[in-house]
Amino acid sequence: QSALTQPASVSGSPGQSITISCTGTSSDVGAYNYVSWYQQHPGKAPKVMIYDVSNRPSGVSNRFSGSKSGNTASLTISGLQAEDEADYYCISYTTSSTYVFGTGTKVTVL
Amino acid sequence: EVHLVESGGDLVQPGGSLRLSCGASGFTFSSYWVHWVRQTPGKGLVWVARIKGDERTMNYADSVKGRFTVSRDNAKNTVYLQMNTLRDEDTAVYYCARGAFHLYYLDYWGQGTLVTVSS
Repeated sequence: QSALTQPASVSGSPGQSITISCTGTSSDVGAYNYVSWYQQHPGKAPKVMIYDVSNRPSGVSNRFSGSKSGNTASLTISGLQAEDEADYYCISYTTSSTYVFGTGTKVTVL
Repeated sequence: EVHLVESGGDLVQPGGSLRLSCGASGFTFSSYWVHWVRQTPGKGLVWVARIKGDERTMNYADSVKGRFTVSRDNAKNTVYLQMNTLRDEDTAVYYCARGAFHLYYLDYWGQGTLVTVSS
């Protein structure tokens, strides 16, 4: 179970849009629409931002959106704000009935 | 309000054992999967294991299979992670998290408990 591949870091200026990719295989990301995204601030527990590829839980800003094409899922943050600076992780359900996280992406707001 | 609280983290020697607990409140505990996720300080999240509400169905990451055992006691609203043959690389903060009802994501998380494996 190799970790899903994410870019180590992504940055953008306030108001800009950024996209984080999450690349897996046909046994995880490509197998189901069960990719979710988590935001983690330093010293805090992760918080779900997107589930089932593109669904937002109640209370999450509509500036966060998700998509998937083949074995790659993506998280887009539009109208970047200072509070969005955090680590972001994708996770996918797999054909082995397990889960696998991505390597994580540090988002920096310039 | 949903609450998950981990406990049991400690300093343990390589080859040793430790049992973590995850106490839950604020929801119908027996209806939900509960997951364990770990994070080495300064590193990424790693999914470890999960257990279904029926107490009989469990899944594990390859890295812990055969060494870790997840169990639960629905009467006590508690999930356990028994960790045996611990290695240096098992050092991490261990989180428990609830699986969203009939969905494939983790909707509530505890604050984590630190396990340090070192001689």
